[in-house]
Amino acid sequence: EVQLVESGGGLVQPGGSLRLSCAASGFTFSSYWMSWVRQAPGKGLEWVANINEDGSEKQYVDSVKGRFPISRDNAKNSVYLQLNSLRAEDTAVYYCARDGNGIPVIDYWGQGTLVTVSS
Amino acid sequence: QPVLTQSSSASASLGSSVRLTCTLSSGHRSYIIAWHQQQPGKAPRSLMKLEYSGKYNKGSGVPDRFSGSSSGADRYLTISNLHSEDEADYYCETWDRNTHVFGGGTKLTVL
Repeated sequence: EVQLVESGGGLVQPGGSLRLSCAASGFTFSSYWMSWVRQAPGKGLEWVANINEDGSEKQYVDSVKGRFPISRDNAKNSVYLQLNSLRAEDTAVYYCARDGNGIPVIDYWGQGTLVTVSS
Repeated sequence: QPVLTQSSSASASLGSSVRLTCTLSSGHRSYIIAWHQQQPGKAPRSLMKLEYSGKYNKGSGVPDRFSGSSSGADRYLTISNLHSEDEADYYCETWDRNTHVFGGGTKLTVL
C-alpha cells in the first residue's frame, strides 16, 4: 500500500524557515517524480514544486522560486521542502504527492501538514 | 501553460447522478487530466486519469459509481447513485512540461 507521511509543519514568524519532510513507503520511491502541493485556508489546490527520480531536475511555481528548494534522499525514501523567507500568504496545508509514471498526473497524496506564518 | 476551468458549485439529490465538467484551455484540448476528490477536512484522493479519447483509469478502491468521459476540450466526471459521502470538492489537474496545474475546484452538494 502506498503511503506518504508528511511532518515538519508548525507556526513560524514572517521571514522564518521550516523544513517539511515526506516519508514514502509501499512503492519503489526512486522510480517516481514527487511533488508538493499546498492549500491555503478555504482555497483550492496549488502545485508548488516537484523533483525527478534522482533529484537532478526540479520545477517550481513562480511564487516560491528561490525560496522553497525541494530535495530528496532515495536511501531514506524521503522528499523534503525547505521553506525560507516565509510570508503570511504561504500559510497553508502542504501535501506530499506522487507523480504517476507514464502519465505523470498525481496518483497518491499524503495527509498534509499545516504551516502557519504569523507574528 | 494550460488552464483548467471548473464550475464553482454543483448540486444533486441523493441517489441521482451528476456530471462535473473540467474544460481545458485553447491549444491544450488533447491533454490528459486527473480527477481528485477532497471530502471536508480530509486530504485529496485521486479518483482517475482521463484521456482525450474518453479512456479512463480509476485508482484502487474507487467505486464503480464514478466514471469519466471526454468531448473535445471538456473532461467529465460522472457520479451515479449519489451517496452522502460524495459531498466534496472535486479538482481536475493536468501536467505540462514537468509542472502541474489544477482547476479551481467544484463544490458538490448532495441534497
